Amino acid sequence: TQLLEQSPQFLSIQEGENLTVYCNSSSVFSSLQWYRQEPGEGPVLLVTVVTGGEVKKLKRLTFQFGDARKDSSLHITAAQPGDTGLYLCAGATGNQFYFGTGTSLTVIP
Amino acid sequence: EAGVAQSPRYKIIEKRQSVAFWCNPISGHATLYWYQQILGQGPKLLIQFQNNGVVDDSQLPKDRFSAERLKGVDSTLKIQPAKLEDSAVYLCASSLVPDSGNTIYFGEGSWLTVV
Repeated sequence: TQLLEQSPQFLSIQEGENLTVYCNSSSVFSSLQWYRQEPGEGPVLLVTVVTGGEVKKLKRLTFQFGDARKDSSLHITAAQPGDTGLYLCAGATGNQFYFGTGTSLTVIP
Repeated sequence: EAGVAQSPRYKIIEKRQSVAFWCNPISGHATLYWYQQILGQGPKLLIQFQNNGVVDDSQLPKDRFSAERLKGVDSTLKIQPAKLEDSAVYLCASSLVPDSGNTIYFGEGSWLTVV
């Protein structure tokens, strides 16, 4: 069972464009994390959100946690080739974490 | 602060052989996870330990995979015998109790190729 669905699964854009990645679930999470993973490496934490409706900004990245704490989005402004990678959301509920299906982003120079 | 350590980084074995991966979590992290990740997909939880007890191993193929965390710190994941479809990255991760605001930290992964 996949608790967290991400969309789109693949995204290829030109440098300078904006994009949004979605992470959706029917389950409520106590917190949600976003990770970026580059080829040959483990996932690296970008942000943790814990409050419904919370918005966090990390330079050109904006993260939002849904009011009902069931979904989240990641928006990247003016994408750069260095943003290329696999983006993963992960939700914590009870004593477990559940990972999303992943979004593979390619930013073309 | 030292991160999650894993070894070996890369391993190539023939099908039906065995392999073992080792993980040392971040100091003080009671929860340890082993994930299997197929290229381009999200990680799939194989087993979760809380100290030296198993919290969830529902997706661990127990006929060929085994894992232990005897002293509540280091852990090993073993595959015997390996199949071609076991080719993947095996990620170890650790966290404090998976409560609100706590985060999973990952190692760099152990890349397994079964030929």
